[in-house]
Amino acid sequence: AQRVTQPEKLLSVFKGAPVELKCNYSYSGSPELFWYVQYSRQRLQLLLRHISRESIKGFTADLNKGETSFHLKKPFAQEEDSAMYYCALSAGNNRKLIWGLGTSLAVNP
Amino acid sequence: DAGVTQSPTHLIKTRGQQVTLRCSPKSGHDTVSWYQQALGQGPQFIFQYYEEEERQRGNFPDRFSGHQFPNYSSELNVNALLLGDSALYLCASSLLLLASNEQFFGPGTRLTVL
Repeated sequence: AQRVTQPEKLLSVFKGAPVELKCNYSYSGSPELFWYVQYSRQRLQLLLRHISRESIKGFTADLNKGETSFHLKKPFAQEEDSAMYYCALSAGNNRKLIWGLGTSLAVNP
Repeated sequence: DAGVTQSPTHLIKTRGQQVTLRCSPKSGHDTVSWYQQALGQGPQFIFQYYEEEERQRGNFPDRFSGHQFPNYSSELNVNALLLGDSALYLCASSLLLLASNEQFFGPGTRLTVL
């Protein structure tokens, strides 16, 4: 079955510290993976997708097919990064998104 | 472009009633997906519409139905509401023929069933 696991419900770091939000997936084929972010009182918005291999707001994520992971990383967290982060999987021709439970990131001053 | 819009913002219903939620996709998009997000959970896929037809469906009962109009806007209908239907309902739009399944989300409709 296709599944996305985000093991941490809450992650709290200090400003300037590195941050890594974990995402593991279960899918036997070639997935498309996304990180979406939801800031307070705002809608879900796309942060990163693995096929574009870009850095957005200092965040990067690399797809590791061997470990079936797509962890989100940022070397120096900022207070404005505090938000809810969701990892999502799109599998093959199936165009639905399968979501993790989300990780709430709190960046403390 | 206002992006994906949804109406209403909030809705309160009682058990057994019926509700209709509406969504207008981002300009240029032809596919609309609906998700249910319960408190503290990730979104759960309900169904997806393309060319006015339900293209695929998640694990939701037949009480959940939808429609897509020629202008690509969409409705989600829920009949015989249960307390457990209380959730944030999200609409997302995308372009089916794009290689990437990047979806753009609306602000959601918060449904409360009493």
